[in-house]
Amino acid sequence: GIQVEQSPPDLILQEGANSTLRCNFSDSVNNLQWFHQNPWGQLINLFYIPSGTKQNGRLSATTVATERYSLLYISSSQTTDSGVYFCAVEYRDDKIIFGKGTRLHILP
Amino acid sequence: ETGVTQTPRHLVMGMTNKKSLKCEQHLGHNAMYWYKQSAKKPLELMFVYNFKEQTENNSVPSRFSPECPNSSHLFLHLHTLQPEDSALYLCASSQSRRQGDIQYFGAGTRLSVL
Repeated sequence: GIQVEQSPPDLILQEGANSTLRCNFSDSVNNLQWFHQNPWGQLINLFYIPSGTKQNGRLSATTVATERYSLLYISSSQTTDSGVYFCAVEYRDDKIIFGKGTRLHILP
Repeated sequence: ETGVTQTPRHLVMGMTNKKSLKCEQHLGHNAMYWYKQSAKKPLELMFVYNFKEQTENNSVPSRFSPECPNSSHLFLHLHTLQPEDSALYLCASSQSRRQGDIQYFGAGTRLSVL
């Protein structure tokens, strides 16, 4: 089956720093999503991004489908950005596979 | 507040018990989902309902039985569970099952099976 690898697994940054999270996938996909799970477990869908670039405030995402990777950029990090960031891919038969996530900790 | 409410928030049950998880959405959505999040495994999509019809069952054991009586409510009936079924169970809804429709998640039910 398809493999979804996220890196880095853990990231600790000072407030105000920028960060780049990566998601690699091993096969062609129909769609790709980025999620944020806050420290209390609430999961929020950030982007649907099968290809191209999207921006939403301090967050942006780029997917290069031909090279099978996606990047999530967080600029001017805030403590509320802490949590786990997941990417998930949809491939044949509408299966959804999640990566293991990147745990981000923003220090005040 | 995402508009998706899950109850109970926490549940402890023995392996011989029968219990049900409830999910309710107030967003007018037509698709609802059950996910399982274990401590040591990635998030797993369990079931998908679109317009009250089950459209996906990702090889989930029969001890988990979903029910969708209407587009606003989704249940997960549990019976004879195993300790490895202990996990956070998340419910989500979206406008439909179309690609690009944002999913809104509940806060989850944390289940412990003793």
